[in-house]
Amino acid sequence: NAGVTQTPKFQVLKTGQSMTLQCAQDMNHNSMYWYRQDPGMGLRLIYYSASEGTTDKGEVPNGYNVSRLNKREFSLRLESAAPSQTSVYFCASSAFSSGRTTDTQYFGPGTRLTVL
Amino acid sequence: DQQVKQNSPSLSVQEGRISILNCDYTNSMFDYFLWYKKYPAEGPTFLISISSIKDKNEDGRFTVFLNKSAKHLSLHIVPSQPGDSAVYFCAAMEYGNKLVFGAGTILRVKS
Repeated sequence: NAGVTQTPKFQVLKTGQSMTLQCAQDMNHNSMYWYRQDPGMGLRLIYYSASEGTTDKGEVPNGYNVSRLNKREFSLRLESAAPSQTSVYFCASSAFSSGRTTDTQYFGPGTRLTVL
Repeated sequence: DQQVKQNSPSLSVQEGRISILNCDYTNSMFDYFLWYKKYPAEGPTFLISISSIKDKNEDGRFTVFLNKSAKHLSLHIVPSQPGDSAVYFCAAMEYGNKLVFGAGTILRVKS
């Protein structure tokens, strides 16, 4: 049981390049999330998917797109990378669904992205 | 506007003593609160949670206290150990909605 896995662990891009960050979970969770972590800012939600086939914007969605490929996988795409997207990206999953009063999210190890 | 605030960026504590990490929130609709712990180069891991119907929840050396009238929660670690040195994030949830995280507090436990 690997939990939440992310690839790659590190990536360096040039401004304008594109890339996709991959995330998979093996806990049969309904919901998946993408966050970015910047110094002094905590974790900010980029996009989330409450269930297979649905995606919604979070707090900082500009410059990103997502795909919920199936229940296990949730990818984050940067179409044209900018230096402001230099950050550590975390994927998370949870059993959350509408009607639940609690939610514990489980995080992957992160992807450290640098955009030059 | 930050709905969840951790006003202390860092805290240094001697091994064996109590560590107290604080968190304030502004949204009175939050009804579930969590603490996460994060080591460098790893993802955050769930530590402990509390529902708004309680004012205290304990798990081993970790206790979370909730003061709803003050919109304040705290995490107590007793006794503190060097392995507790990490970044601690407070998070809050409104029913049916998403988690909101604070900026984190770096805890250093000195041996």
